[in-house]
Amino acid sequence: DGGITQSPKYLFRKEGQNVTLSCEQNLNHDAMYWYRQDPGQGLRLIYYSQIVNDFQKGDIAEGYSVSREKKESFPLTVTSAQKNPTAFYLCASSIGTGGVVTEAFFGQGTRLTVV
Amino acid sequence: AQSVTQLGSHVSVSEGALVLLRCNYSSSVPPYLFWYVQYPNQGLQLLLKYTTGATLVKGINGFEAEFKKSETSFHLTKPSAHMSDAAEYFCAVSEPRKTNFGKGTSLLVTP
Repeated sequence: DGGITQSPKYLFRKEGQNVTLSCEQNLNHDAMYWYRQDPGQGLRLIYYSQIVNDFQKGDIAEGYSVSREKKESFPLTVTSAQKNPTAFYLCASSIGTGGVVTEAFFGQGTRLTVV
Repeated sequence: AQSVTQLGSHVSVSEGALVLLRCNYSSSVPPYLFWYVQYPNQGLQLLLKYTTGATLVKGINGFEAEFKKSETSFHLTKPSAHMSDAAEYFCAVSEPRKTNFGKGTSLLVTP
């Protein structure tokens, strides 16, 4: 079945550590996205990518980094510069023609907790 | 930038009652509008979408929404709530290359 796989489902990070969240899709979508979800704040866009080797900052990119070396993969690194990383992280993809997004497909999310 | 505002962060209905979740949008061009549903600790799933054409859009699980340009609204309804409808619902609007989400409405269904 086609879909988006995020791993791990739960992740614990110590203060000062970098951690990387995995996102893989087999939908053959060009566009991929990372969102952060906090209670009562909806989904906020961290980074997005329309094509391999290219990505753009979203609304809350500070303290995060991404790469897009393969069409199928869009890993997110939460760096030590992110002061409040505890949140639910969602990866999504869409067909991505560069025009208006017609539908986003989501992974099951990764819950990151700082310990 | 295009945006949506969801009215009411929490809505409670009785089982069998009408569900109405409100969403207003702000857009300078004809919008693409969506409703997504999220169950606890899961990703989002598309309920329905409006792109062009018929303004009354039917989705999964008996939900529907009506695009009203004059009111800049895209409210979500279901005639009869079921316990399994309890979830978080997000209204969203797309613009080139990305989607902007509302803050969400948590639907509680009581027996």
